[in-house]
Amino acid sequence: SAVISQKPSRDICQRGTSLTIQCQVDSQVTMMFWYRQQPGQSLTLIATANQGSEATYESGFVIDKFPISRPNLTFSTLTVSNMSPEDSSIYLCSVEDLAFTDTQYFGPGTRLTVL
Amino acid sequence: AQTVTQSQPEMSVQEAETVTLSCTYDTSESDYYLFWYKQPPSRQMILVIRQEAYKQQNATENRFSVNFQKAAKSFSLKISDSQLGDAAMYFCAYRGSGTYKYIFGTGTRLKVLA
Repeated sequence: SAVISQKPSRDICQRGTSLTIQCQVDSQVTMMFWYRQQPGQSLTLIATANQGSEATYESGFVIDKFPISRPNLTFSTLTVSNMSPEDSSIYLCSVEDLAFTDTQYFGPGTRLTVL
Repeated sequence: AQTVTQSQPEMSVQEAETVTLSCTYDTSESDYYLFWYKQPPSRQMILVIRQEAYKQQNATENRFSVNFQKAAKSFSLKISDSQLGDAAMYFCAYRGSGTYKYIFGTGTRLKVLA
């Protein structure tokens, strides 16, 4: 399976600021996904990022708050903008495996705390 | 709409014993995929096992196996010879054949007692 890394692994930020999270994959993948996991909760899909096209956002998530870039087939970024304490969560990226395109593999996650 | 239910918020098992985690789902589709993911305190989601709905044979990965009952819409995970490293949150997930979206259950926290 693909090896996925995320930066930063954790951060503590002040409200009103923005943080950009990077997701790097060791092989080319078509589809990359960004999830949010609020404390003690399950995963919620924020958006799907395909190379060469605009990200597709899920209900409740908007581009102004969570802009996403996908410049190539191995890299994506998620920015959390104008942060508030309610944005404190784990943010995970995932990719579809080329061998099993029905299966997603996840990065190690970014733990964000907003004060 | 599809739903995934994990009715056990927390389970405990003695080291070396066997434990079964429950998952039920609701769907009108006939072709889909089911998964179990493990999330240890390190927070990375790790794929434990996957099952294709059209396969009647239950998937097995080493000490992990599933009991897939398609008619009952049940997909339980059995962990044999439990180890301390198995302690984690376990999430059941569903994916329809015509979509890339996963539907996750609420998770079961597994504690392994030495």
